[in-house]
Order: sequence, then C-alpha cells, then structure tokens
Amino acid sequence: GAGVSQSPRYKVAKRGQDVALRCDPISGHVSLFWYQQALGQGPEFLTYFQNEAQLDKSGLPSDRFFAERPEGSVSTLKIQRTQQEDSAVYLCALRGVDYGYTFGSGTRLTVV
Amino acid sequence: QKEVEQNSGPLSVPEGAIASLNCTYSDRGSQSFFWYRQYSGKSPELIMFIYSNGDKEDGRFTAQLNKASQYVSLLIRDSQPSDSATYLCAVGVRGSNTGKLIFGQGTTLQVKP
Repeated sequence: GAGVSQSPRYKVAKRGQDVALRCDPISGHVSLFWYQQALGQGPEFLTYFQNEAQLDKSGLPSDRFFAERPEGSVSTLKIQRTQQEDSAVYLCALRGVDYGYTFGSGTRLTVV
Repeated sequence: QKEVEQNSGPLSVPEGAIASLNCTYSDRGSQSFFWYRQYSGKSPELIMFIYSNGDKEDGRFTAQLNKASQYVSLLIRDSQPSDSATYLCAVGVRGSNTGKLIFGQGTTLQVKP
C-alpha cells in the first residue's frame, strides 16, 4: 500500500535457512506492526514498534523470530532456521490516526 | 472459541443485491472495530471503522455495531462484481494503547453478474 514498502515480494527458503524481511515506511511514521497471514486465515499479530522501541512482541511464535527497527524507520523481521510452518505472507502495517492500518504489499515466504 | 469469528463463506449474491457480512467477538470490553477488504493476492485495505453502537454509512457501505450482542456487520448495497473479495473483521484489543488488532478469518464474497 501507499506509504509502506516491503521487500522482497517473494522469498523461497530451504528449511533451516535464515531469512530477513524488510519494511520501509514513509518517514515520520511512529507506529509499525508486523502480522503473519497464513493461507485462508486472517492476519495474526507478531510485534509492534513505537519508533525504535519494540513495545509488544507477544505474538512472535518462537525465539527463531526476531524483529528490529534500530533507527525508528526501516524495520526488519528475521526468521532463523526456517520451518515449513513459517510459510505465510508477512505483512507490515502502519497505524493511522483512526487506529486503522495501512498495510504494505507483504512478503510471501515459502519454506521448502 | 475464537476471539473474532466470521463465516468463511463463500457468500454469493447477484449483482445489485445487498451483501450482509457478519462478525462476532468474544471480549465484551472491545471498543474499536474495523472492516478490511482483501483481493486475492493483495494486502488488506481499510474500508470502514466504527466505535459506537448503531450504524455508520459511507457510500454503498454501512457498518453496524451492537456491543450488547457483541457483533458487528457490514452491509454492501448495490453489490458489484468488483466487490468480490475476502472481507476481514478486526477488533481492537481492550487495554492496548498500541492499536493492536485481532482479525477474523475473513468471509469470501462472490458477486455474480
């Protein structure tokens, strides 16, 4: 969506490989979320950043998942030792003043 | 019980008809409610939000909220084939000042010409 860019658009990883997914929001946007959307399901919360502070990481499914936003702008979601169950679309979202989200185009991760 | 429940569908309506999409939620204290549309292979886009009991209209879309019954619905009048998509209901987490949302699994709508 306008205002937030995600890369890569598609990623195929071999099981056990580490991956890094990038979210690049428009400048000055304070609140940033990561969601995971499995096929046929709604998005599920992973983690939330307010500027560079990771205020909520309760949705990260395991310690293989790690997210950062060191300068309060670009955020990276890293998944170590990928497993097949990690296959999903990973969505980055910015929160608007009405608390609605603007989503990025997502990264579709396929673990083979 | 899922926190936010939707019938997965598909819901099929003829062009020009009213499509009615429903959503129930489990946390009685929830305060904010959203409807997103998601086309196949695309990311969700916000259609409407509603915070107060009653109806909220925006063009062909009307959101209805009944907190006592814990349901929120979306009506689409004069449905068009371009409305064919998955509609996601999302509820704000009570007590969260971050704006974290819980999504339902979505209802697939098919509008037939």
